[in-house]
Amino acid sequence: KQEVTQIPAALSVPEGENLVLNCSFTDSAIYNLQWFRQDPGKGLTSLLLIQSSQREQTSGRLNASLDKSSGRSTLYIAASQPGDSATYLCAVPEGSAGGTSYGKLTFGQGTILTVHP
Amino acid sequence: KAGVTQTPRYLIKTRGQQVTLSCSPISGHRSVSWYQQTPGQGLQFLFEYFSETQRNKGNFPGRFSGRQFSNSRSEMNVSTLELGDSALYLCASSFQASGRRTGELFFGEGSRLTVL
Repeated sequence: KQEVTQIPAALSVPEGENLVLNCSFTDSAIYNLQWFRQDPGKGLTSLLLIQSSQREQTSGRLNASLDKSSGRSTLYIAASQPGDSATYLCAVPEGSAGGTSYGKLTFGQGTILTVHP
Repeated sequence: KAGVTQTPRYLIKTRGQQVTLSCSPISGHRSVSWYQQTPGQGLQFLFEYFSETQRNKGNFPGRFSGRQFSNSRSEMNVSTLELGDSALYLCASSFQASGRRTGELFFGEGSRLTVL
């Protein structure tokens, strides 16, 4: 059974800092890995999707890397801003490329990020 | 292009009642999944539908059910509500077609259910 762990559980940084959020998974036979952002009381916003064949993806100030062999992914946020404050979640679908249930994701518990001015 | 739409956004029920939640996926998306989010358990998968067929089901009691219509809209129903059913229920859709599938899920804003 796939298990996803995110470290740290919470992070508080001053504005402008570069930071790294960590995600680890127990079964390395994943099809992809997705990072989400969730604001309080809101739904999930997709940030980045990394396919199993990719090593990293970038979107603006965000960069996500994937190392399947070690079962790890990192989300790098450059020049953090107060508007980045949210909970960040990583998730992987059940199964592998041969038989993946794309709609069934296993989520980590999330990292609560606070960026103060 | 409109995103995933969930209704109602907020609702309050009492124990023993039933509730129906609705989800309209992104146009062209045929896969719809449902999740329950609580502070204690985090995000837990309920079920997934594709072309009106339930493709996968999570570890929830039979009081939780769902269905998908021919236009890909989906509903989930919870009968005989319990206090522990209070949660944010999230719906997600994805585009899945042979040879054109990234597996990216897009979520709605959720339906906040409070059971008194």
